[in-house]
Amino acid sequence: SQTIHQWPATLVQPVGSPLSLECTVEGTSNPNLYWYRQAAGRGLQLLFYSVGIGQISSEVPQNLSASRPQDRQFILSSKKLLLSDSGFYLCAWSSWGADSGNTIYFGEGSWLTVV
Amino acid sequence: AQSVSQHNHHVILSEAASLELGCNYSYGGTVNLFWYVQYPGQHLQLLLKYFSGDPLVKGIKGFEAEFIKSKFSFNLRKPSVQWSDTAEYFCAVNALDNYGQNFVFGPGTRLSVLP
Repeated sequence: SQTIHQWPATLVQPVGSPLSLECTVEGTSNPNLYWYRQAAGRGLQLLFYSVGIGQISSEVPQNLSASRPQDRQFILSSKKLLLSDSGFYLCAWSSWGADSGNTIYFGEGSWLTVV
Repeated sequence: AQSVSQHNHHVILSEAASLELGCNYSYGGTVNLFWYVQYPGQHLQLLLKYFSGDPLVKGIKGFEAEFIKSKFSFNLRKPSVQWSDTAEYFCAVNALDNYGQNFVFGPGTRLSVLP
């Protein structure tokens, strides 16, 4: 079965420091991968998605970047964190089935607090 | 681009009451539709999805949703809620063009069930 792992679960970083959140998926190949940010009362905001190694699409301009160095690895990064980057970040993957369409599955999330 | 709206920000019910959470989306093409649930302290889980066929979809834990194409709606229902249904519920749409890469989520509805 497929699993998704995301780490670290919580992170406290000073303003101006770098960020690296990692996500890996097991049990599937060539998944679509996503980074979302969840804010209270505002649902999930799509930050980045990737359909393959080295292919990244950004949905909103921001202080963050994403990379996909391997098929099942997705990394969210920042060179210099801002206070406004604090939040709950979710990695996800999706699969397509001819008889079931598309479904997206989420990791446990990472709480980032920038101080 | 797709968008999703959810009618209620916070719903409070007593146990055994009936539930209906509204969801409307804007997209003219073919879509997959989803309801996800997030229990306190847990990650997002798929509750049910519509891909094709019968517009009345049954999910886990006694939930169902009805896709009404003419109204661009996908409302979630449960005839009798339990205290354990207390959670946040997210409606989502996935457009099936452009390789179905983009999942768009609504802002969420918080359900509180009083014992």
